[in-house]
Amino acid sequence: DTGVSQDPRHKITKRGQNVTFRCDPISEHNRLYWYRQTLGQGPEFLTYFQNEAQLEKSRLLSDRFSAERPKGSFSTLEIQRTEQGDSAMYLCASSLELLWGPGANVLTFGAGSRLTVL
Amino acid sequence: GENVEQHPSTLSVQEGDSAVIKCTYSDSASNYFPWYKQELGKGPQLIIDIRSNVGEKKDQRIAVTLNKTAKHFSLHITETQPEDSAVYFCAASPANFGNEKLTFGTGTRLTIIP
Repeated sequence: DTGVSQDPRHKITKRGQNVTFRCDPISEHNRLYWYRQTLGQGPEFLTYFQNEAQLEKSRLLSDRFSAERPKGSFSTLEIQRTEQGDSAMYLCASSLELLWGPGANVLTFGAGSRLTVL
Repeated sequence: GENVEQHPSTLSVQEGDSAVIKCTYSDSASNYFPWYKQELGKGPQLIIDIRSNVGEKKDQRIAVTLNKTAKHFSLHITETQPEDSAVYFCAASPANFGNEKLTFGTGTRLTIIP
């Protein structure tokens, strides 16, 4: 298993354009999360999926943001009409839901997709 | 919601010395406290975690302590090495089983001086 993969690693776009990021989680993991990290800050929760169901969305996820996980495997995060304030690292993580045990629900992060909006 | 504060924001220690990073949290319902290490250009990597039914956990040179009464937890790295240089984040989660909403601290940039 190669871990959590994110694509693209870097994206530079002009204000107003749409961008889409893809995340491929660890294959046996049924939970997938999106976090956003701005420079000098810790990651902030955006949303998460259990299988294909999106179970929670943060208030940080404005109407311009949409996330999907159509078949319970990979996920996409789309940002429409990008703004300069959207510039950040978008991190994806996955975990396996377990009721107990040493590895229970531990999040494994990908390397992130860095977005720069000009 | 949960609020996690982390100190110090930067820390420099001589190679071989110990490093301590401290975090406090606000939500008494939090019961899972992981620590992540983030190197330049990479995502956060879990290095150790602790759950509320345990007061201390060790893994080789790394240890974490938890004081639920005071709502604080700390990361201890002993015998530091140059490869320990990175940004370290603490986090807290109130979930019973899942860790869907980790709330992270603002990070500590640790520099090991050879």
